[in-house]
Amino acid sequence: KNEVEQSPQNLTAQEGEFITINCSYSVGISALHWLQQHPGGGIVSLFMLSSGKKKHGRLIATINIQEKHSSLHITASHPRDSAVYICAVLMNRDDKIIFGKGTRLHILP
Amino acid sequence: DTEVTQTPKHLVMGMTNKKSLKCEQHMGHRAMYWYKQKAKKPPELMFVYSYEKLSINESVPSRFSPECPNSSLLNLHLHALQPEDSALYLCASSHVQGIAQYFGPGTRLTVL
Repeated sequence: KNEVEQSPQNLTAQEGEFITINCSYSVGISALHWLQQHPGGGIVSLFMLSSGKKKHGRLIATINIQEKHSSLHITASHPRDSAVYICAVLMNRDDKIIFGKGTRLHILP
Repeated sequence: DTEVTQTPKHLVMGMTNKKSLKCEQHMGHRAMYWYKQKAKKPPELMFVYSYEKLSINESVPSRFSPECPNSSLLNLHLHALQPEDSALYLCASSHVQGIAQYFGPGTRLTVL
């Protein structure tokens, strides 16, 4: 079992839909990072969380430390949101960074 | 300046070539990272320099050799690579070693 699991692996939705991407982890962490990777490779940092909730524009990220779970929400989705969204965690025990396998999001116009 | 730059953007090399990838940041970050990413896979950490001290992922072959000339620059020297080393190589930096990383645009490497 992977230490970081993302779901769904792939998601196709219509423009305007509310999107939720989930990240579950099985290890103790000190922080969790949501990243966005567009075709062509560049990675953009979206949020770093250690507790609670953060909002930036149409993006919202939440984390529940007790349940070892984080969600990334996109409101009023747009085709330009099409990308791979990656969850990464910083492990408590050795400061190792573990990446989830990513969620491939495709928003149709 | 909140940018990490990488050169070149694309590199094609033969198995006998020696080449270098370069990464630069001017954010005063003291940790810099090299990642390798194969298609449709998450990035894999290769090396971390934190306060100019190197940490290695022991699974990385010796044909990859990192160099940190100063706290703003990170090079990855490539020698005698194999076709399976073809991938996107990403550089990142952070204020201290951890998770809040700024990523460069990557170098897409093809080994023939």
